[in-house]
Amino acid sequence: EAQVTQNPRYLITVTGKKLTVTCSQNMNHEYMSWYRQDPGLGLRQIYYSMNVEVTDKGDVPEGYKVSRKEKRNFPLILESPSPNQTSLYFCASSLQGPNEKLFFGSGTQLSVL
Amino acid sequence: GEDVEQSLFLSVREGDSSVINCTYTDSSSTYLYWYKQEPGAGLQLLTYIFSNMDMKQDQRLTVLLNKKDKHLSLRIADTQTGDSAIYFCAESFSGGATNKLIFGTGTLLAVQP
Repeated sequence: EAQVTQNPRYLITVTGKKLTVTCSQNMNHEYMSWYRQDPGLGLRQIYYSMNVEVTDKGDVPEGYKVSRKEKRNFPLILESPSPNQTSLYFCASSLQGPNEKLFFGSGTQLSVL
Repeated sequence: GEDVEQSLFLSVREGDSSVINCTYTDSSSTYLYWYKQEPGAGLQLLTYIFSNMDMKQDQRLTVLLNKKDKHLSLRIADTQTGDSAIYFCAESFSGGATNKLIFGTGTLLAVQP
């Protein structure tokens, strides 16, 4: 089954404790991206990747890092999480472009205390 | 800058048609999308329209694009309880140095049996 898999589904952590949210897709898509969803703000793009070792900032990249060492994986790293990073995070992949016809994962609800 | 706006809530009766509206500010987009988000799930691509088209029909879904008024709508015919979800419109900008996807804040569609 074609899918984008994110882990974990829920995560509670404390300020400053490094964490990684994993994302994997099995569709051989070149393009992958991360979004955060906040009430009243819709979805905002954090980072995107056009291919292996090619990443670029989205609209809200501050406080986040990504890496794309393999085509299927695109982890999101929070080196020093802060409470304003409490949000619902989605990973997405696409065959046609970083913003076109996205397949989304099920989301990761992160709470930073 | 780019902005995409939607009304927050729409309630319809089962069997009626639903019309979800979206307005945007930047008309240089490539595609305009409708995504559906069911509770606890990621976004699912419902349909899309190329920016030089006026209308697209896909089974129960009809997308209308009024470029002059910068207005996009999604009509769902014979709305079912399974259509209850949050619907996001999104505008993509692709090409050259610009790669962006701007989401609206979402419209919650409640279908009453």
